[in-house]
Amino acid sequence: GENVEQHPSTLSVQEGDSAVIKCTYSDSASNYFPWYKQELGKGPQLIIDIRSNVGEKKDQRIAVTLNKTAKHFSLHITETQPEDSAVYFCAAIAAGYALNFGKGTSLLVTP
Amino acid sequence: KAGVTQTPRYLIKTRGQQVTLSCSPISGHRSVSWYQQTPGQGLQFLFEYFSETQRNKGNFPGRFSGRQFSNSRSEMNVSTLELGDSALYLCASSDRGGNTGELFFGEGSRLTVL
Repeated sequence: GENVEQHPSTLSVQEGDSAVIKCTYSDSASNYFPWYKQELGKGPQLIIDIRSNVGEKKDQRIAVTLNKTAKHFSLHITETQPEDSAVYFCAAIAAGYALNFGKGTSLLVTP
Repeated sequence: KAGVTQTPRYLIKTRGQQVTLSCSPISGHRSVSWYQQTPGQGLQFLFEYFSETQRNKGNFPGRFSGRQFSNSRSEMNVSTLELGDSALYLCASSDRGGNTGELFFGEGSRLTVL
C-alpha cells in the first residue's frame, strides 16, 4: 500500500517567516495529494490539495508543489501568523484506495 | 449544514471490554471513513464505508469492525480492548470518498483504555 513520509515532525518559525513541510510517497499510481490542518481539540480540515496533472497550486499564503518524478510534494506557508500554529498532515491516494496520511508536522509560529 | 457528529466525545474503558463509537455524517454524504490517531503513528486508516458497503479496509486486527446504516450513519466497534487501543478515533464523511474529494472530519471520540 501507499507509504507517506513527512518531514519535519516539528517546526518553529517566527511570525512573518515562511514554513515548508515536505512529504514523499511510494505509490507511483497516487494521483491526489491533500493537505490537512488540525487545530487543538478539532478534527483535521482540508486547506489545499493538488492533483497529479498539476505541478503547483496556490491559495493566498499557502501553496503546494508536486514533483511526480521524485514522488514528493511540499506545503509552503508564507508570511506566517500565530493562527497558523497547528499540526499539518499531508496525504496521498491512488484511485480506488484509501487516503494515507503522513505522521504530521507540529508548526509553532512565535510572535 | 451540520458537520460530522461523533459520539461519545470521551470515554474510559478497561482492558477486555468492548466499545462502540458512532458517527453521523454530513447530510447527503454517503462515504464514511474511520481513522485512529495516536501521537506516535499519526492518522491511520481503519475502514471506509460507502452506501452501507465496506469499500476499503486498513491494516488493523479483526477486533476492529464497523458498519454503515441506510441513513449513512456509521458505527465502529472495538472488542477485547487493549491498552494500545487508547487513541482519538476520527470519523470523516465525503460525498464521493477520500480518493476523489474532500474529507470532512468530526472532532473525534477520545478512548482511554485502563
